[in-house]
Amino acid sequence: DTAVSQTPKYLVTQMGNDKSIKCEQNLGHDTMYWYKQDSKKFLKIMFSYNNKELIINETVPNRFSPKSPDKAHLNLHINSLELGDSAVYFCASSLGQGAGGYTFGSGTRLTVV
Amino acid sequence: GQNIDQPTEMTATEGAIVQINCTYQTSGFNGLFWYQQHAGEAPTFLSYNVLDGLEEKGRFSSFLSRSKGYSYLLLKELQMKDSASYLCASPFSGGYNKLIFGAGTRLAVHP
Repeated sequence: DTAVSQTPKYLVTQMGNDKSIKCEQNLGHDTMYWYKQDSKKFLKIMFSYNNKELIINETVPNRFSPKSPDKAHLNLHINSLELGDSAVYFCASSLGQGAGGYTFGSGTRLTVV
Repeated sequence: GQNIDQPTEMTATEGAIVQINCTYQTSGFNGLFWYQQHAGEAPTFLSYNVLDGLEEKGRFSSFLSRSKGYSYLLLKELQMKDSASYLCASPFSGGYNKLIFGAGTRLAVHP
């Protein structure tokens, strides 16, 4: 019954590898997001999708490629992982402009070694 | 600009009242959010203010002054479980929602 679920919760991988994080929401929301929270705890937007269409790409390196097969899913694929990619990645969703607030997933802690 | 400033850390005593301030410099203001984030967990939505004034929700209240670019979150009757980070956030004005978050205020509640 989890509203926004993302997997995996933890991901440890070596530099240079390619990995994916999956996100699904069952709230009927039409907008989904990826946020990155670094070691200083800043939450920074990476991508925003509305009804499967990319709305915001916040100057994220093109090693990061989001994919939204339908409005309930937004996956994040990362190529050639670097040490600086280590962070917690949060998926979120909202209805329309999000005035009712975002619902966040529980986060994926990515550690690149 | 879209700077959002809030204190880094605060401490308070169980049962007390604490006010966490947030100032923002966002053109085309579109409302101000507060989120709570416990360590190792997802942020959870607390409040959204778009008009001036105080909005109360149980022990938590949020205030907004658009002319001053200022908001605060007021927590009453503090409980130990209120120890968390409190994030102030504002949407980007250019179109679809793009929440810009402050760095968060880490609140420690002591007995």
